[in-house]
Amino acid sequence: QKEVEQNSGPLSVPEGAIASLNCTYSDRVSQSFFWYRQYSGKSPELIMSIYSNGDKEDGRFTAQLNKASQYVSLLIRDSQPSDSATYLCAVNPGNTPLVFGKGTRLSVIA
Amino acid sequence: NAGVTQTPKFQVLKTGQSMTLQCAQDMNHNSMYWYRQDPGMGLRLIYYSASEGTTDKGEVPNGYNVSRLNKREFSLRLESAAPSQTSVYFCASTDRGRGTDTQYFGPGTRLTVL
Repeated sequence: QKEVEQNSGPLSVPEGAIASLNCTYSDRVSQSFFWYRQYSGKSPELIMSIYSNGDKEDGRFTAQLNKASQYVSLLIRDSQPSDSATYLCAVNPGNTPLVFGKGTRLSVIA
Repeated sequence: NAGVTQTPKFQVLKTGQSMTLQCAQDMNHNSMYWYRQDPGMGLRLIYYSASEGTTDKGEVPNGYNVSRLNKREFSLRLESAAPSQTSVYFCASTDRGRGTDTQYFGPGTRLTVL
């Protein structure tokens, strides 16, 4: 069974710090990886996608992928209170729908 | 573009009642999905349609039926609602097989079954 694991949190960081969110997955053939942000009462929205090993940066967000370790992470630099949300990791295992983790709740303290 | 739209936004049903949740997308996507989200359970896939004319069961299909009416529309039907179906339902779409598989979500339907 394909699984995506995330620490449920809450992860609390002070404003301005780096928040580090982690995700592991079980299916070695997975090719694409996504981070979604979900504010309370809202739908998930895509913030990052990554397809190759290494780092991908977009503004304050950096996604990191290590396929050998089956590990993907999201770093949020200069965390803001507006970053407080649940972050969902999703993995594309191939010709089947995305598999989502249960999410990590992030709280940025002003 | 409106993206993915869902109706209704809120619904209260009594046990045993039926209803259909509607979903439409205007992005010309080929694949559409229905999820439910419950506290602590994450997103769970109910049914999906990889392309127009096909539907497949997901992780939690019992108690639900779906119809891929055309490329734009994918509906979810509860034939006899149960309190266990109280949840937030999200529809999503993606353009799988065309170089991208990013999923776009609708705003959700909050369903309460009494």
